Amino acid sequence: NAGVTQTPKFRVLKTGQSMTLLCAQDMNHEYMYWYRQDPGMGLRLIHYSVGEGTTAKGEVPDGYNVSRLKKQNFLLGLESAAPSQTSVYFCASSYSTPAFKGNQPQHFGDGTRLSIL
Amino acid sequence: GIQVEQSPPDLILQEGANSTLRCNFSDSVNNLQWFHQNPWGQLINLFYIPSGTKQNGRLSATTVATERYSLLYISSSQTTDSGVYFCFGNNRKLIWGLGTSLAVNP
Repeated sequence: NAGVTQTPKFRVLKTGQSMTLLCAQDMNHEYMYWYRQDPGMGLRLIHYSVGEGTTAKGEVPDGYNVSRLKKQNFLLGLESAAPSQTSVYFCASSYSTPAFKGNQPQHFGDGTRLSIL
Repeated sequence: GIQVEQSPPDLILQEGANSTLRCNFSDSVNNLQWFHQNPWGQLINLFYIPSGTKQNGRLSATTVATERYSLLYISSSQTTDSGVYFCFGNNRKLIWGLGTSLAVNP
């Protein structure tokens, strides 16, 4: 089982460039999440999706867009990268859970290390 | 919003020592989990433990939901236990602690 797969694993961008991070899960999970992790700040939720075709904002959504065209994929886009977006990005997935009151564990990908110069 | 405090923030152990990590929440949370982030950055799910006690080898965890805390026990620590340990839960939003950074020296 692959679980949650993130591509790419590393990327260096110049300020103003755009890119898309791909997350794929093979567990038939309804919920998918994008986090960023910065030193001393733990994990912060960027956007999440409660199912195919739906997306919602998390704690720190500005500067990012997401799409969930297929249930197994969740894409995170940076339209115009900024140095403040240098971070490690994690994707996660879980089974259905209504309004974050559920009882299912999250499964994480291995992360994407993104540097913006 | 709900606050989560992990203690201690940093811990250095000699190989073979035991330790207890704690996670306190300011309000009730669901779905409590413990994760280990290894030195390569991978997040590994250790326990899904909304209440009660679970054991997995040298690791065990206890959550007392009514008192809003959870404990992670590491016995006979090994250098491969090094990394950062996070607790995580939810209560209408996702709530992550800032982690306990553990270094186990040979």
